[in-house]
Amino acid sequence: DSGVTQTPKHLITATGQRVTLRCSPRSGDLSVYWYQQSLDQGLQFLIQYYNGEERAKGNILERFSAQQFPDLHSELNLSSLELGDSALYFCASSVGGGGGETQYFGPGTRLLVL
Amino acid sequence: ILNVEQSPQSLHVQEGDSTNFTCSFPSSNFYALHWYRWETAKSPEALFVMTLNGDEKKKGRISATLNTKEGYSYLYIKGSQPEDSATYLCASNTGGFKTIFGAGTRLFVKA
Repeated sequence: DSGVTQTPKHLITATGQRVTLRCSPRSGDLSVYWYQQSLDQGLQFLIQYYNGEERAKGNILERFSAQQFPDLHSELNLSSLELGDSALYFCASSVGGGGGETQYFGPGTRLLVL
Repeated sequence: ILNVEQSPQSLHVQEGDSTNFTCSFPSSNFYALHWYRWETAKSPEALFVMTLNGDEKKKGRISATLNTKEGYSYLYIKGSQPEDSATYLCASNTGGFKTIFGAGTRLFVKA
């Protein structure tokens, strides 16, 4: 158990809908990262937050948005969902915000868009 | 190299064999190189983070080296065990803190 929690574990929804994925980092970690793993692709970095501020942006679609709250938990919002958004979404956390920090991954949220 | 590339894609070894994998990454604007172990139905688990050219890290039977000038890292497993069967991912951080993952090397260790 890495200490990073993600809810829900599974999510089934329809195209065009909007969902929110939630992540709580390890106690003391200030950075949260979001990753997407689709069937036909490897792990893709979406976005990083550090202490409430956006730190780095990867291949995140405009339909997706994220934020980190004052208590350091983070939410990833996915809207106008398409079939291709079906994937495993991981959240990870680290103590600091630099690229050389060890990242601890949560168990993931499996999203299925029908 | 614009992407992070890992080879081989998969590897089948016998218990007790030693093995190694390669990770190639962009050497320009390099910041850090991460290795992860990812077992099926679990989440990636961090093995090493390396930042300096020539870095060598070791954890039990697993070790890694880093060459930032030429843009490659090796992961070695000595005396492979069936429980080492997993996908080994490397990820490169550039100066902009973006993380790029390789596709992974899938290791199968037969008892």
